[in-house]
Amino acid sequence: KAGVTQTPRYLIKTRGQQVTLSCSPISGHRSVSWYQQTPGQGLQFLFEYFSETQRNKGNFPGRFSGRQFSNSRSEMNVSTLELGDSALYLCASGEGRYGYTFGSGTRLTVV
Amino acid sequence: GESVGLHLPTLSVQEGDNSIINCAYSNSASDYFIWYKQESGKGPQFIIDIRSNMDKRQGQRVTVLLNKTVKHLSLQIAATQPGDSAVYFCAENRDSGAGSYQLTFGKGTKLSVIP
Repeated sequence: KAGVTQTPRYLIKTRGQQVTLSCSPISGHRSVSWYQQTPGQGLQFLFEYFSETQRNKGNFPGRFSGRQFSNSRSEMNVSTLELGDSALYLCASGEGRYGYTFGSGTRLTVV
Repeated sequence: GESVGLHLPTLSVQEGDNSIINCAYSNSASDYFIWYKQESGKGPQFIIDIRSNMDKRQGQRVTVLLNKTVKHLSLQIAATQPGDSAVYFCAENRDSGAGSYQLTFGKGTKLSVIP
């Protein structure tokens, strides 16, 4: 079956702009989680969506938001970009507690 | 505070040798742990997992050991190959309530295999 697809793979944005990242989970998976990966902070949990509802949220400012559609595809949005938002953003698709599959991520660079 | 951390940031091993990567966790209530491998430019890839009711679990060339007494995990890779070169993360799958779980990752160990 197809894996987790994240688009785009790379993005360059300017400070103050906003950005939207997309994640298509594995077919049949209803849970989508987002993680931020930076060299300094490592992998940090952003939020989880399940059946179009945000079920859990990590410790990130309100500039980070997301949503999930009825087909389980998810988007995350970052508004008013800061240099520190430069990171690899990873999406994980799950079908329960014991199964997570990660996408290859979107590399966001803020200049 | 609650955290999942790694003892060593880098590890170099000769091809064919065994590798051992360690991880400490602090949440004694944790009951499910996962090891991931991340290659450059890719997302984390599942290697093996273990539940807290087990002490050891084996996969193909990999073994995970769990010592709940000292809250320690290790990943053993047998006959390490150049393709094993990557960053390895341990992760704790924590219950966040309302049926939600989140992964808390350690900072990773970079494994370099010397041919």
